[in-house]
Parts: sequence; structure tokens; C-alpha cells
Amino acid sequence: DIQMTQSPSSLSTSVGDRVTITCQASQDINKYLNWYQQKPGKAPKLLIYDASNLDTGVPSRFRGSGSGTDFTLTITSLQSEDIATYFCQQFDNLPYSFGQGTKLEIK
Amino acid sequence: QVQLQESGPGLVKPSGTLSLTCAVSGGSISSNWWAWVRQPPHKGLEWIGEIHHTGTTNYNPSLNSRVTISVDKSKNQLSLKLSFVTAADTAVYYCARSVQQQLDYWGQGTLVTVSP
Repeated sequence: DIQMTQSPSSLSTSVGDRVTITCQASQDINKYLNWYQQKPGKAPKLLIYDASNLDTGVPSRFRGSGSGTDFTLTITSLQSEDIATYFCQQFDNLPYSFGQGTKLEIK
Repeated sequence: QVQLQESGPGLVKPSGTLSLTCAVSGGSISSNWWAWVRQPPHKGLEWIGEIHHTGTTNYNPSLNSRVTISVDKSKNQLSLKLSFVTAADTAVYYCARSVQQQLDYWGQGTLVTVSP
């Protein structure tokens, strides 16, 4: 199985900050990576697919990049509504696996 | 707008079978793939498996021998059965639509607790 490792596990941030979350795959997954945002008590929401494509309606301050084994989710200017937990997911090989999550908190 | 709604018992006894259904509205189940994902309390997401409307399934090998996913086209719903459950199966269970392996629509999730 492909292991997905996110870092950091948690991040204390401020509104307006540039936030970077990384996701590393245990083997080459090309660009077969999605990012999801999950707010407390809610289902995850698709943010980015195929490593760098924003889903419909996702603000342009969210950016995804990377290929192979190393991927990045960047929020260029954090807004209060972005406080959530973020998960990466690979879909190159079954079983499709998620990273452990990165929880954003306000300082 | 596609909507998904999970339902089923919130409490299952150890060694019993967890049974959930996911009703799909606003779209036909006779297209795309449909997936189940679970999340233990305060933990991350685990992909359980998926089903195509034709009945083709893919399961997580960690659950393979215990899990069954099926579709009922007449009711426009999918189902999840997980047998021989233990406390480790306590989680919020989500169903989701999978389009090109993107989980783009999710149900709100349902908590299933395994306890005597």
C-alpha cells in the first residue's frame, strides 16, 4: 500500500499568513493526488484534484503543486473560514489512501 | 445538485455486522463510482472501498474479507456491510460520489459505535 505522510500535523497560524502543507507519497504517484478540507463535524470537501486543479468554487488563494512523491498545498493569504483540517489522498494505486491530516489553528 | 444521505443503526454489538445505506438524490446511481470512507473519532480518513454501478467493486485489503458494498438501482442507493466488527470499527462512516477518483459529493456521515 502507498503511505501518505503530511506535515506538519498541526499549524498555528494567523489571518493573512501564507500557509504551506506538504504531502509525501511512499512511491511515485504521478499527479494522482487530491486535497480535501474538513471542518469540525462536517464531511470533507474536495479542494484540489490531480495535484493542481481547483474544484469548482474553490477560492484562488488555494494552490496545489507537485508530482511524483512530493506535493504541496498552499493558502496564499489565510482567511478565518480556512481554519480546518486538510487531507491529501492518492489515487494512483488501490487502496486509495489518505494522509493523516494537517489541522490549522488560529494563534 | 447531488445529495447523499447515510442511514443505519448507530450502535452495533461486537462480532456483529454493521449495515448502512446511502440514498442518492439529485442524480442517478447508474453512473460513476460510489465510495465509502470512514473516520474514527478524532482520527484521519480511511478509504473502505468503492463500487461501480455495474457492480464492479474495489475494497481496502485491510477490510477485504469483512466488507461488502452493493448498489440497488431501483432505490438509487448503495449499501455497506462490515462483518465481525470490533471497537476499532467505531467511526463516522461517509458515502461519496467518485468521479475520476475525485470524491466530489459526500454524505453528512453517520456515527457507528461498536459496543456491547
